[in-house]
Amino acid sequence: EPEVTQTPSHQVTQMGQEVILRCVPISNHLYFYWYRQILGQKVEFLVSFYNNEISEKSEIFDDQFSVERPDGSNFTLKIRSTKLEDSAMYFCASSEGFGRDDGYTFGSGTRLTVV
Amino acid sequence: SQKIEQNSEALNIQEGKTATLTCNYTNYSPAYLQWYRQDPGRGPVFLLLIRENEKEKRKERLKVTFDTTLKQSLFHITASQPADSATYLCALDRGSTLGRLYFGRGTQLTVWP
Repeated sequence: EPEVTQTPSHQVTQMGQEVILRCVPISNHLYFYWYRQILGQKVEFLVSFYNNEISEKSEIFDDQFSVERPDGSNFTLKIRSTKLEDSAMYFCASSEGFGRDDGYTFGSGTRLTVV
Repeated sequence: SQKIEQNSEALNIQEGKTATLTCNYTNYSPAYLQWYRQDPGRGPVFLLLIRENEKEKRKERLKVTFDTTLKQSLFHITASQPADSATYLCALDRGSTLGRLYFGRGTQLTVWP
């Protein structure tokens, strides 16, 4: 079964540092997303991406965040200057269409710890 | 803002029984409602999707209902097994935006032998 792959599985960074979280979506999927889940909280939408541009972003996705599809397979989330409150599980997801037939396929996540 | 409530934080049932999980929402009515399973430390796994004009959807031992008047979805697992133990998330798609799902906090289901 095709998978969404995320690396690294766990990243520890110092406050103020930049981090890049990486994702390889399913190869025939055209729509890509980032969600996050703070420990014990619900899964929250960050951003959706289609045709090499952001389709929608949430209030969380401020100027410190950016996304990129640098080549035909990778999809990255960059946090420019991390804060303690950025500590969370970050999930990448992809879908073939709008996800309104078969939902979204999520990766296993990157646990980001900001110290 | 969209508010989603899942009936309880934890549900414990005996193997073989039917588990029923509830998702209630306020404000905007979703065009689509999805159910996911999440295991500890893992990403959500898609289970079922139901549209606003559908009353019921089934897949193997799973059944979802959607009542737009009550603003509620019920998720049933029949003949439950210990392997069904996980957190189940309900997620709303308003249909007007691309990829933005509003998740509930989830219900942790434990099926004991």
